[in-house]
Amino acid sequence: AQTVTQSQPEMSVQEAETVTLSCTYDTSESDYYLFWYKQPPSRQMILVIRQEAYKQQNATENRFSVNFQKAAKSFSLKISDSQLGDAAMYFCAYRSPGTYSGAGSYQLTFGKGTKLSVIP
Amino acid sequence: NAGVTQTPKFQVLKTGQSMTLQCAQDMNHNSMYWYRQDPGMGLRLIYYSASEGTTDKGEVPNGYNVSRLNKREFSLRLESAAPSQTSVYFCASSRGGGGNSYNEQFFGPGTRLTVL
Repeated sequence: AQTVTQSQPEMSVQEAETVTLSCTYDTSESDYYLFWYKQPPSRQMILVIRQEAYKQQNATENRFSVNFQKAAKSFSLKISDSQLGDAAMYFCAYRSPGTYSGAGSYQLTFGKGTKLSVIP
Repeated sequence: NAGVTQTPKFQVLKTGQSMTLQCAQDMNHNSMYWYRQDPGMGLRLIYYSASEGTTDKGEVPNGYNVSRLNKREFSLRLESAAPSQTSVYFCASSRGGGGNSYNEQFFGPGTRLTVL
């Protein structure tokens, strides 16, 4: 079974600075998908960024980018120009490739999360 | 589009009571999921439905049952609630349907359940 580890239970960053959240995972599969979700105090789970293991290029979404190191099984999230609205729990998640028949599960395996605080 | 909706948002039960959590999605997704979130534990999968008419157990299915009522709706039932089932419950959906794609999951707002 796959496992996802987020080694930083809590992090803080000054507003406008850059912060990196770490995530490592354990798998024997060669293709898979990785996601970062944000959970603000409202509790809503919001997809921040996604990455397919076969793609060498690191994903970027505005101020959010990832550093994907497949050999090291590492998938860190970098937030640039941090804003007060970035304060939230951040979860890293892993998904195995689906079957072409659609019979398999697309379930996500989540890490335990990192609580990010943004200091004004 | 409402996306994924869940009812109720909050619920308090006494030990031994039963209840059903409702979930509906309007994105024409094939796959639906129920997760629970406990402090310090991330989200853990309870049950999923890869497509209409199928359901399967996830990581923590004990004490729960599910029904995929139709393509839109996926309910989670607690037959005899226990304090260990105090948690926040999330429903999610994804396109599913096979093939090789991100199939990202979209989540509902969650239900906070307390069992006394």
